[in-house]
Amino acid sequence: GAVVSQHPSWVICKSGTSVKIECRSLDFQATTMFWYRQFPKQSLMLMATSNEGSKATYEQGVEKDKFLINHASLTLSTLTVTSAHPEDSSFYICSAAGDRNEQFFGPGTRLTVL
Amino acid sequence: RKEVEQDPGPFNVPEGATVAFNCTYSNSASQSFFWYRQDCRKEPKLLMSVYSSGNEDGRFTAQLNRASQYISLLIRDSKLSDSATYLCVVNLMDSSYKLIFGSGTRLLVRP
Repeated sequence: GAVVSQHPSWVICKSGTSVKIECRSLDFQATTMFWYRQFPKQSLMLMATSNEGSKATYEQGVEKDKFLINHASLTLSTLTVTSAHPEDSSFYICSAAGDRNEQFFGPGTRLTVL
Repeated sequence: RKEVEQDPGPFNVPEGATVAFNCTYSNSASQSFFWYRQDCRKEPKLLMSVYSSGNEDGRFTAQLNRASQYISLLIRDSKLSDSATYLCVVNLMDSSYKLIFGSGTRLLVRP
């Protein structure tokens, strides 16, 4: 199956700093990538849909100025959590959609904001 | 009302048991249905798609009832390695191709 990587796999940062998470499709081109967030004992919640070369579409309640998404190429999308606060601590997972729109998930990034 | 609802469990069963999970979805326009498995602190992995006619993959059987907007997953002869959270997922198959996840049902298989 297709492989999607995320970097870093975990990050600890101080409150107020910004954190960038990378999502890469390693062996296929992904026109669309998705960013999810998962809090403990809850399900994945879609944050935004990212299309290569265009602005991301954010889900209701997700602040676009706080969660900056850049999808500059067909194999890379980045999510930047700006001015992170403890309530942003979560498991962030990306997925990349291939030709048949099947989504392949990255291994996730665990963010802890102190 | 949640778009996809599941019993959170946990279901605690002995090895070899048969266990069934249920899921309901609210949007009748949903077109594609899946069961994903998620291990603790890991990403979800596709277990199987769910088709209207029902489908089986080894010990796993999935069924869909569009009229009732109900999806099920049956696991026979449970193994210790089946312990995980099982996520019911639907896709509207509109232009966005968004997946909507249920909150998951946790399964614990004991020796």
